[in-house]
Amino acid sequence: DAGITQSPRHKVTETGTPVTLRCHQTENHRYMYWYRQDPGHGLRLIHYSYGVKDTDKGEVSDGYSVSRSKTEDFLLTLESATSSQTSVYFCAIKWTSGANEQFFGPGTRLTVL
Amino acid sequence: LAKTTQPISMDSYEGQEVNITCSHNNIATNDYITWYQQFPSQGPRFIIQGYKTKVTNEVASLFIPADRKSSTLSLPRVSLSDTAVYYCLVGDNNNAGNMLTFGGGTRLMVKP
Repeated sequence: DAGITQSPRHKVTETGTPVTLRCHQTENHRYMYWYRQDPGHGLRLIHYSYGVKDTDKGEVSDGYSVSRSKTEDFLLTLESATSSQTSVYFCAIKWTSGANEQFFGPGTRLTVL
Repeated sequence: LAKTTQPISMDSYEGQEVNITCSHNNIATNDYITWYQQFPSQGPRFIIQGYKTKVTNEVASLFIPADRKSSTLSLPRVSLSDTAVYYCLVGDNNNAGNMLTFGGGTRLMVKP
């Protein structure tokens, strides 16, 4: 699975609390991505990173922030979780900039009550 | 990013060949066509990618006509374990951001 892990795998939290999801890779890849998946919407890109401290917004970035202080870790933070952020979150990495092949982590199921 | 259209669902039986067609009328010159497979409770998995004509690997074949406005993923002799959602994506291989846009996908159900 290309050495991608996500933690936690499941989390239940309350509205208004901060939440941080972690994506860890062991392959030293430059590009990392955070997606969310909801019924009827496929996967939607939240944020992505193209290097340490280099990040950019995706399609649905409102309410989310990211950080990448090390190549191997890409953190997704919900500053104040809302029920609309209940979703399954996937992290992905990409080998190089020259291919559309991404490898996805196992996902984190987040429930905001 | 070019938008894609594919059937919402398809049914098949074990041992049959399954062809899933995807339309991408606004595909750009630099865009590649990529297909992913996703099983329940798992992340998507890359299947195959192509630019034109035909590409084949150990899992599937991808047929792309000359105008590239559509593509067809072909799964030979499907089994129950091929039941999954299949996504067709179109994107620029040289896009550093590589913002893949996943649509709703095609839910394939393989029956015994």
